[in-house]
Amino acid sequence: DAKTTQPTSMDCAEGRAANLPCNHSTISGNEYVYWYRQIHSQGPQYIIHGLKNNETNEMASLIITEDRKSSTLILPHATLRDTAVYYCIVRRPYNTDKLIFGTGTRLQVFP
Amino acid sequence: NAGVTQTPKFQVLKTGQSMTLQCAQDMNHEYMSWYRQDPGMGLRLIHYSVGAGITDQGEVPNGYNVSRSTTEDFPLRLLSAAPSQTSVYFCASSPGDTYTGELFFGEGSRLTVL
Repeated sequence: DAKTTQPTSMDCAEGRAANLPCNHSTISGNEYVYWYRQIHSQGPQYIIHGLKNNETNEMASLIITEDRKSSTLILPHATLRDTAVYYCIVRRPYNTDKLIFGTGTRLQVFP
Repeated sequence: NAGVTQTPKFQVLKTGQSMTLQCAQDMNHEYMSWYRQDPGMGLRLIHYSVGAGITDQGEVPNGYNVSRSTTEDFPLRLLSAAPSQTSVYFCASSPGDTYTGELFFGEGSRLTVL
């Protein structure tokens, strides 16, 4: 599975858009990009995933570059409750695949 | 629908003791897995299972045993606990097969080995 690189930490003002980058330059054609977050010490929570097209759901948007070597998770209007560690993961969609977490980006949303 | 349930939530062990962390899911998911998370670190995969009767090792399997006798349950056994196994343990499940969606996580089991 491809490795990912994320900044260690980021800050964002409440109400502003939070843009979290992820580099996955070794991604292969059948690998999806997944984003999860972990609030405090709770179990990780799924946010969104995509293959090549941009995706949007009620939580966030995912922008994947045309060459698929990087992506950005966008929280359009960050709130204090979005303070969490965000994990970018690249994964093949097979039942034997293993979801490998890195250390993620710690997003701090401030008032 | 309870999702993924882990018990116990907290446990303190002495070195050399054994115990089992329980994980149950009521979503009829084929895929289940165990992760550990040390302070300030990301999650590391211990063992996983793609269906009843099938298990495999993840990144950090040493010191842990698993079995999958039913679709619902995936217990994690520590045969002889060591202080290095002090961690938070998360169980997760997903529908499996070629499903490309999300993993569902439990709330974690916090283990301290003295």
